[in-house]
Amino acid sequence: EIVMTQSPATLSVSPGERATLSCRASQSVSINLAWYQQKPGQAPRVLIYGASTRATGIPARFSGSGSGTEFTLTISSLQSEDFAIYYCQQYTNWPPGYTFGQGTKLEIK
Amino acid sequence: QLQLQESGPGLVKPSETLSLTCAVSGDSVSSSSYYWGWIRQPPGKGLEWIASVYYSGRTYYNPSLESRVSISVDTSKNQFSLKLSSVAAADTAVYFCAVFPAVGTPVFDSWGLGTQVTVSS
Repeated sequence: EIVMTQSPATLSVSPGERATLSCRASQSVSINLAWYQQKPGQAPRVLIYGASTRATGIPARFSGSGSGTEFTLTISSLQSEDFAIYYCQQYTNWPPGYTFGQGTKLEIK
Repeated sequence: QLQLQESGPGLVKPSETLSLTCAVSGDSVSSSSYYWGWIRQPPGKGLEWIASVYYSGRTYYNPSLESRVSISVDTSKNQFSLKLSSVAAADTAVYFCAVFPAVGTPVFDSWGLGTQVTVSS
């Protein structure tokens, strides 16, 4: 099983600043990596797929980069609505399955 | 636009079987355009993919749960279902149904709101 490890567990950033979240895979997943955002009491929504492609309707301040085992989600200028939990997910071995990272909580500093 | 709605008992006793249903609107579960799936989230924890199914009935399971889980499609009711047997407290979670396209990138792009399931006697 491919294990996805996210860091840090919690990130405190001020509105308007840049946030950088990391995700590491236990083996190469190429660019088969997605990022999701989850707000309290809501289902996750996909932000990025293919490591760097924004999903429909996602603002340009969200960007993804990386390949192989190291990935980054960058939010260029944090808005109040961006404070949430972010998960990475690999899908390189679909089928048969996927694995998610444990999440990074982005909180207001 | 696809809409998904989970339903099922909020409380299940240990050792029993959990049964959940996801009602689909906006398209047919018989469509070859999608894979249908279940993901869960224990309280305060991350996401865990459980299973996925294609309209043809082809199923895919998380190896860690495969011995206890079953997913199926019910075309007559336009829904799909999850069964998890021999539940324990560790199966307490919010259970989401979700969908991803059969062609292109297999990421979950539509989700239900989730349903809380508690395992307790």
